[in-house]
Amino acid sequence: AQSVSQHNHHVILSEAASLELGCNYSYGGTVNLFWYVQYPGQHLQLLLKYFSGDPLVKGIKGFEAEFIKSKFSFNLRKPSVQWSDTAEYFCAVNAGNAGNMLTFGGGTRLMVKP
Amino acid sequence: GAGVSQSPRYKVAKRGQDVALRCDPISGHVSLFWYQQALGQGPEFLTYFQNEAQLDKSGLPSDRFFAERPEGSVSTLKIQRTQQEDSAVYLCASSADRNTEAFFGQGTRLTVV
Repeated sequence: AQSVSQHNHHVILSEAASLELGCNYSYGGTVNLFWYVQYPGQHLQLLLKYFSGDPLVKGIKGFEAEFIKSKFSFNLRKPSVQWSDTAEYFCAVNAGNAGNMLTFGGGTRLMVKP
Repeated sequence: GAGVSQSPRYKVAKRGQDVALRCDPISGHVSLFWYQQALGQGPEFLTYFQNEAQLDKSGLPSDRFFAERPEGSVSTLKIQRTQQEDSAVYLCASSADRNTEAFFGQGTRLTVV
């Protein structure tokens, strides 16, 4: 069974700082990769996804992620965070032969100080 | 509706009580998922429907948990004889087909006292 690890549980940044959230997964086969965001009081929303092709994926709100197959990683980045990026971020994996059931990491709670 | 709708938003149940949680997926979405999210953790898969067929229920934690989607649209997650460890947010998600984005509802927060 696949698993997903997010090593940073809590991250505190000042506005304009750069962000990188780590995500590693364990599964040897074909995977689809996702980052979801949950703003306070709201539902999970998709930030970006990787199915195939260019391993550098650009999502909404200036976020991007890079799939590095050799490292089983899909780290999320943003060059300059804003206060409105305060939220919880979840990495998720869908193994290619598992319908599209998602396996989630434990989440990273990001707080951006104005 | 515009998105996935879940009801109730909040439910408090006494231990031993049965509960039913409802999910209205996006109209026309074939796939429907239930996840359980405990406090401070990521969502964990419970079960998956394709239309009315329950194709995977491997994540249901016990035989007290039962899900159905009889007409391939609305789904109900039922928990019998609730226990304190069932306290969590229950999320429903739907997608158009196997390889498209899953859209999540706001969840039902269940508290068992």
